[in-house]
Amino acid sequence: GEDVEQSLFLSVREGDSSVINCTYTDSSSTYLYWYKQEPGAGLQLLTYIFSNMDMKQDQRLTVLLNKKDKHLSLRIADTQTGDSAIYFCAAGSYGGSQGNLIFGKGTKLSVKP
Amino acid sequence: DTGVSQNPRHKITKRGQNVTFRCDPISEHNRLYWYRQTLGQGPEFLTYFQNEAQLEKSRLLSDRFSAERPKGSFSTLEIQRTEQGDSAMYLCASSWARVVSGELFFGEGSRLTVL
Repeated sequence: GEDVEQSLFLSVREGDSSVINCTYTDSSSTYLYWYKQEPGAGLQLLTYIFSNMDMKQDQRLTVLLNKKDKHLSLRIADTQTGDSAIYFCAAGSYGGSQGNLIFGKGTKLSVKP
Repeated sequence: DTGVSQNPRHKITKRGQNVTFRCDPISEHNRLYWYRQTLGQGPEFLTYFQNEAQLEKSRLLSDRFSAERPKGSFSTLEIQRTEQGDSAMYLCASSWARVVSGELFFGEGSRLTVL
């Protein structure tokens, strides 16, 4: 089955760029997502990318997809202390009855002032 | 709409007791999902409904777990004869099946502690 891997920790200084990486195994994954989870809260969708895209930009967020290597990254420009959270990569395939996402274990981003 | 709502937010119970969690999805969403998240892990899929039909169940969903969505609106997740290993955050999410991206909207979760 699908497996999604992420590095567990990332520490950056305020104002720097953060890059969080993710790899997945199922080449039939159609959609790839980045979710953010703050302490004690549920998951918030940040952005997603279709598998036929290479890049998607949304304000401070840039998602890069290398479908050949099954590698996904999330770049946060001008990282702020409010960006400190756990970031989850998730992969999904939509078709038929299958409707669930497979999540990585999450990358804890710490932003130092 | 206030988003996905889950109750109770936190439940502490003794081993062997039954617990029930409720999820109210975003009103226009016809898909509803249950996930489990343990400390240091990502959410793990348990089951999902399209309207009132339960379309998929994970192997994680043992016989002690049952989920229902009787009228295609709110859902309940019941755990019978709880075990300490059931301690986790139970997350509910909803989506609209016709949205191509299939993005899920999550509630804040119900945390279960089994003593």
